[in-house]
Amino acid sequence: EAGVAQSPRYKIIEKRQSVAFWCNPISGHATLYWYQQILGQGPKLLIQFQNNGVVDDSQLPKDRFSAERLKGVDSTLKIQPAKLEDSAVYLCASSLNPGLNTGELFFGEGSRLTVL
Amino acid sequence: GENVEQHPSTLSVQEGDSAVIKCTYSDSASNYFPWYKQELGKGPQLIIDIRSNVGEKKDQRIAVTLNKTAKHFSLHITETQPEDSAVYFCAASIRGSTLGRLYFGRGTQLTVWP
Repeated sequence: EAGVAQSPRYKIIEKRQSVAFWCNPISGHATLYWYQQILGQGPKLLIQFQNNGVVDDSQLPKDRFSAERLKGVDSTLKIQPAKLEDSAVYLCASSLNPGLNTGELFFGEGSRLTVL
Repeated sequence: GENVEQHPSTLSVQEGDSAVIKCTYSDSASNYFPWYKQELGKGPQLIIDIRSNVGEKKDQRIAVTLNKTAKHFSLHITETQPEDSAVYFCAASIRGSTLGRLYFGRGTQLTVWP
């Protein structure tokens, strides 16, 4: 079974530029998450989708971050304009149904963003 | 929201020794406590989890204990091996709701020396 796919793996941009990350979850997983992992810290949830609807975006800096999950499968996370503090690894994860089942999250390998 | 504290931040042990990582949480409504292992350049991977109706769970060399009264839980790794070297994260959430957001600790870098 294929895992969670993310691209690109690495991205270097200058501040105020824009960047987009793509995620393809495990087939059949209804729930998709984007986490931000700053160096030396644990992952922090940015946004959670259930199918193609947003169920939790309370930690998403909406002035610069946006995310969408068209057709309830792939997802894209965009940052515009980027700030130095956005340098982090952006992890995508998926699960069958976090609230009612085992709730295991399956993570991709992440997209490492460096903002200069 | 939930606050998860994790200690120590780094841990070095000799191969064959045991390793213990401790976490505390703040929200008494939390009822699900997973542990994730993250190897360099990889995403976190679930290694064991425990629910609030259980005090201890074991899976081969890995065990997790939970003290609901004190709001702390621990990961125990026995007979450590070099391949156990990684960053370990504890987390807490409320299962049974449709959200089930995980709150992660800051991680423990475990190094096992051969």
